[in-house]
Amino acid sequence: DQQVKQNSPSLSVQEGRISILNCDYTNSMFDYFLWYKKYPAEGPTFLISISSIKDKNEDGRFTVFLNKSAKHLSLHIVPSQPGDSAVYFCAARPSGANSKLTFGKGITLSVRP
Amino acid sequence: IAGITQAPTSQILAAGRRMTLRCTQDMRHNAMYWYRQDLGLGLRLIHYSNTAGTTGKGEVPDGYSVSRANTDDFPLTLASAVPSQTSVYFCASSPEDSSNQPQHFGDGTRLSIL
Repeated sequence: DQQVKQNSPSLSVQEGRISILNCDYTNSMFDYFLWYKKYPAEGPTFLISISSIKDKNEDGRFTVFLNKSAKHLSLHIVPSQPGDSAVYFCAARPSGANSKLTFGKGITLSVRP
Repeated sequence: IAGITQAPTSQILAAGRRMTLRCTQDMRHNAMYWYRQDLGLGLRLIHYSNTAGTTGKGEVPDGYSVSRANTDDFPLTLASAVPSQTSVYFCASSPEDSSNQPQHFGDGTRLSIL
């Protein structure tokens, strides 16, 4: 049973346009959400996070939106750049000691020049 | 440069052989983790350690063991490798095992079991 779902395996966007990557979750105990970016032959790198007490967090070109009632979050990248082409993982964890991250399957973003 | 070092980068191994994947971090992080990444399945937690001297089981621990003798090192051992353990293995660390601290990842070990 997948608790963090990234239902679209891939997304292709024109350079300069907005990229919207979606993530859904089923566990209502999740209260901290992260996005990781992964290039081939490298490990995932932390991109941006959001706590359940917020509905938006922005860092430069990257903004994460959280809709708790819908159990949905999205990562917006604007403007998209060719260097943003990578696999993006959504991850979530509940609060409390000894809680662990649960990752989605990832989505491959391709930004066309 | 501070970070996580994994070795080897890649390995081809015969089924039934024993293999230890090495992971070292120089950030003095207390918490460390081992994940495997398989196509279509994302990252799944194998084992973790909240602090030196303690370890715990993740989502897919069978066939794997870990030890945490000190803060910096967190080796993952396959006692008798099987083809289903063919995967890319990532080691990660975080300052503490708490909800608001992102994990830092190594560059992975690509393991093929024949």
